Amino acid sequence: QKEVEQNSGPLSVPEGAIASLNCTYSDRVSQSFFWYRQYSGKSPELIMSIYSNGDKEDGRFTAQLNKASQYVSLLIRDSQPSDSATYLCAVNMGLTSRTYKYIFGTGTRLKVLA
Amino acid sequence: EAQVTQNPRYLITVTGKKLTVTCSQNMNHEYMSWYRQDPGLGLRQIYYSMNVEVTDKGDVPEGYKVSRKEKRNFPLILESPSPNQTSLYFCASSLSGVYGYTFGSGTRLTVV
Repeated sequence: QKEVEQNSGPLSVPEGAIASLNCTYSDRVSQSFFWYRQYSGKSPELIMSIYSNGDKEDGRFTAQLNKASQYVSLLIRDSQPSDSATYLCAVNMGLTSRTYKYIFGTGTRLKVLA
Repeated sequence: EAQVTQNPRYLITVTGKKLTVTCSQNMNHEYMSWYRQDPGLGLRQIYYSMNVEVTDKGDVPEGYKVSRKEKRNFPLILESPSPNQTSLYFCASSLSGVYGYTFGSGTRLTVV
């Protein structure tokens, strides 16, 4: 079983709709969770981080974390064609009090249709 | 401007010829990492460093070396590159282990 799993997609949504991206992880001691956006040919860009259960909102983006279910999601409201990219989920697993293992999922490709 | 700078952006080399990819950050970050990205496999960590002179292996360290003699620099060394090391490489830095990473622009390496 992969440590961080995402559906590869593509996930296609019409412009203006809500895009919902999901990620599951296997390590129960995981401490922090991240979403990155990666445009084709570019480097990953951090868009959201979440550290505790519940929702965290930043503009059109909402990250949701459920540690009991080992599940983290990203909602993009009012999706725009410029949101078309691959979205990477990353999980930080604490190895010791000072060292961490940072694992990426393989990403979900999102296509927003104009 | 806060950034992670990698060089070169593109590199074509021959099997066995030693090469170094440089990485530098200007944010005084403690953590630095090297990743390779391959289609279908995603980002895989090669090595990471928690601070000066402290490094550890990631998931795919074979064939790579790193050093962290200064806080800002974290070069990746391929002593004897092979074609299976053809990939897109990213350097990244983080304030500490619990925060997200800032990535460099990437180095596309081709080994023939």
